[in-house]
Amino acid sequence: ETGVTQSPTHLIKTRGQQVTLRCSSQSGHNTVSWYQQALGQGPQFIFQYYREEENGRGNFPPRFSGLQFPNYSSELNVNALELDDSALYLCASSFIGGTYNEQFFGPGTRLTVL
Amino acid sequence: GEDVEQSLFLSVREGDSSVINCTYTDSSSTYLYWYKQEPGAGLQLLTYIFSNMDMKQDQRLTVLLNKKDKHLSLRIADTQTGDSAIYFCAESPYSSASKIIFGSGTRLSIRP
Repeated sequence: ETGVTQSPTHLIKTRGQQVTLRCSSQSGHNTVSWYQQALGQGPQFIFQYYREEENGRGNFPPRFSGLQFPNYSSELNVNALELDDSALYLCASSFIGGTYNEQFFGPGTRLTVL
Repeated sequence: GEDVEQSLFLSVREGDSSVINCTYTDSSSTYLYWYKQEPGAGLQLLTYIFSNMDMKQDQRLTVLLNKKDKHLSLRIADTQTGDSAIYFCAESPYSSASKIIFGSGTRLSIRP
């Protein structure tokens, strides 16, 4: 059973650019969630995708968007990057229908915006 | 509202017990969690407790839930150097089962 993987590991962008982060869900999972973790903070929920549809969204602007593919892999897209977007982006997969909403986290992508 | 608060740092001697405390605001939360994050790694679920439980024990870990005071604690018995990490308290609100709300994390350091 493979775990949650994310790519790339690190990324450096400049303000105003666009970025795409990728995530492969754990085998058997049908749901993917994305979180932003700023330095010294806990993860903040961005959104969740279930069956290729957005299934809940946190307090993030529309320039944060996502996709979930039929194989349950996912992308997080951020347009018009701002300096405050510098953070660790975590992807988590889970199975809706499970008993306690356990979300399995990947190692994250560290994004630096200059 | 949805908010989770926890102290930032805790230092304990190796072999002692560590107790990490957390308060949360959403009384409708169905599940409460403790996650561990080591440097350069993602989040690892340590344990969880359902909101209708008072206590849960899992090997060296004991979780206590005081629902009246909205207080959650994690006790790690016989703390080892490998327990050094950041520990996050988190809740899953009933109103939005898709998301998990995390605290800011408690950095646990172990003294020899």
